[in-house]
Amino acid sequence: GDSVTQMEGPVTLSEEAFLTINCTYTATGYPSLFWYVQYPGEGLQLLLKATKADDKGSNKGFEATYRKETTSFHLEKGSVQVSDSAVYFCALSDPGYGQNFVFGPGTRLSVLP
Amino acid sequence: DVKVTQSSRYLVKRTGEKVFLECVQDMDHENMFWYRQDPGLGLRLIYFSYDVKMKEKGDIPEGYSVSREKKERFSLILESASTNQTSMYLCASSSRVDEQFFGPGTRLTVL
Repeated sequence: GDSVTQMEGPVTLSEEAFLTINCTYTATGYPSLFWYVQYPGEGLQLLLKATKADDKGSNKGFEATYRKETTSFHLEKGSVQVSDSAVYFCALSDPGYGQNFVFGPGTRLSVLP
Repeated sequence: DVKVTQSSRYLVKRTGEKVFLECVQDMDHENMFWYRQDPGLGLRLIYFSYDVKMKEKGDIPEGYSVSREKKERFSLILESASTNQTSMYLCASSSRVDEQFFGPGTRLTVL
């Protein structure tokens, strides 16, 4: 079945450091890909998405590119801030897999001042 | 803006009680979902619904039931709460295969 794999962390960085969180997927169909962020005590919020190969999703300085050849959707940010401390989830939605989402396990990011 | 609201942010119940968790969305979405989130286990799908009065089991339906009598409302029911159902419960809604929109979550503690 469909699955999402991401580095579980925790990831600890200093402010202004470069961030990469790796995400790879397996899917039976042609999925849409998402990154969600969860701040402490809150629900998940959509951070960015991409619906087809080579699409780049971006928001709040974060970027991720849909790479079909490597089945990857890695999240990057050039300069992290303390306020980016949260848990990040990679997810896919596959029309060939019903209408469910498949979420990765989440990566906890801590940014130190 | 899409709004998904959940009836309580925090809930404390006793073992054996019947517990209702309510979720309401205001964007006329067809799909609604209930997840539980536990440390180290990520999000696990309990039940979902594609339409009114329709429900499908997710990965961990045991000990739970759901009700969807109206399109905007999706209820999760714990018939007889147990301590291993202490968790964060997240409701989400979506339109077809577009992104899911999440509520703020209900942190349930069963004593």
